[in-house]
Amino acid sequence: KNEVEQSPQNLTAQEGEFITINCSYSVGISALHWLQQHPGGGIVSLFMLSSGKKKHGRLIATINIQEKHSSLHITASHPRDSAVYICAAFNTGNQFYFGTGTSLTVIP
Amino acid sequence: DAGVTQSPTHLIKTRGQQVTLRCSPKSGHDTVSWYQQALGQGPQFIFQYYEEEERQRGNFPDRFSGHQFPNYSSELNVNALLLGDSALYLCASSLSSVDYGYTFGSGTRLTVV
Repeated sequence: KNEVEQSPQNLTAQEGEFITINCSYSVGISALHWLQQHPGGGIVSLFMLSSGKKKHGRLIATINIQEKHSSLHITASHPRDSAVYICAAFNTGNQFYFGTGTSLTVIP
Repeated sequence: DAGVTQSPTHLIKTRGQQVTLRCSPKSGHDTVSWYQQALGQGPQFIFQYYEEEERQRGNFPDRFSGHQFPNYSSELNVNALLLGDSALYLCASSLSSVDYGYTFGSGTRLTVV
């Protein structure tokens, strides 16, 4: 069993839809990161969370430490949001555990 | 922009050869971590370098080795390449004193034929 599980693995949405990607983890963490990876490989760090909720533009990330669960929400989705979204748990041993990613395709 | 720079961007090698990948960390960062990402998978931690020493290592064979230089840049070396080593190799830099602000490079796409 992976230390970090994401769902869904693949997601197709119509432009404008509200999107939710879920992440559950089993390790003790000091922080949880949401990453975005576009075709070609480059990874961009979207959020780092240790509690509560953060918002950046149309992106919202929440975390529930007690339930070991985090969600990434995209409001008013756009085709340029199409990418792989990766949840990564940063444990107290200074190591990342990555989920396998959620491949999002937003159709115009 | 003084982000993480990796070179080369793409590389094709023959099975059995050796390869060296390079990473320059973001300005102000002192720690470099390397990851291997196979197609359709999440990244897997290879190792992390700090103060020119390997601080942590993932579950990778000794064929994978690295180095960190006094200017904090780093190299990943893979010997005796196998077809299964074909992957995207990502480098991330950070500041050792904090647990956030990881910056990733765009990766090196290695193909072993």
